[in-house]
Amino acid sequence: GQNIDQPTEMTATEGAIVQINCTYQTSGFNGLFWYQQHAGEAPTFLSYNVLDGLEEKGRFSSFLSRSKGYSYLLLKELQMKDSASYLCAVRGNQAGTALIFGKGTTLSVSS
Amino acid sequence: GAGVSQSPRYKVAKRGQDVALRCDPISGHVSLFWYQQALGQGPEFLTYFQNEAQLDKSGLPSDRFFAERPEGSVSTLKIQRTQQEDSAVYLCASSAAGSGNTIYFGEGSWLTVV
Repeated sequence: GQNIDQPTEMTATEGAIVQINCTYQTSGFNGLFWYQQHAGEAPTFLSYNVLDGLEEKGRFSSFLSRSKGYSYLLLKELQMKDSASYLCAVRGNQAGTALIFGKGTTLSVSS
Repeated sequence: GAGVSQSPRYKVAKRGQDVALRCDPISGHVSLFWYQQALGQGPEFLTYFQNEAQLDKSGLPSDRFFAERPEGSVSTLKIQRTQQEDSAVYLCASSAAGSGNTIYFGEGSWLTVV
């Protein structure tokens, strides 16, 4: 079967660093994606990992360990506008195959 | 167009009514996906097209759900005899060819069945 797990909710304060973990068990692997979704809006792409290691993009970084079926999204210098749902998604091993999403982690950033 | 466009943005349907949801993908995108998202949940895969071919429809919850993309661009998701459990946001997404390409989402069609 296919299973993607991430925490339901997290809270943090402005300026802090937060790490959102994601573990997955899927039939095949061809990349892991992180999306941000504000309430009532479309998911927007944040990062893509297909090889082990850390990908850094501004305040956001994403890490992947394929052997452990594990990824995390690291958000630095948190801002109020970072309050949103963060979705971890895995693509199977066939080109073009749809992403399978976790339930999302709702992050609340307070001042 | 500049992004994935969906219509209608909001739809209220009476139980038993048929609805049709439209998706205009990003111009030139070969792959098109439909997802269903319930409140507080992640998107659930419904179906996938590559050009006009529907390659995967394993996520469609019942035979009341039907999707088409006859000319390989615009797609329509049709729900027949709607039921209350069909109330959700229906997200359309598209991507260029290639497994590493980003999937871009539209803002969704919010369906409420009363």
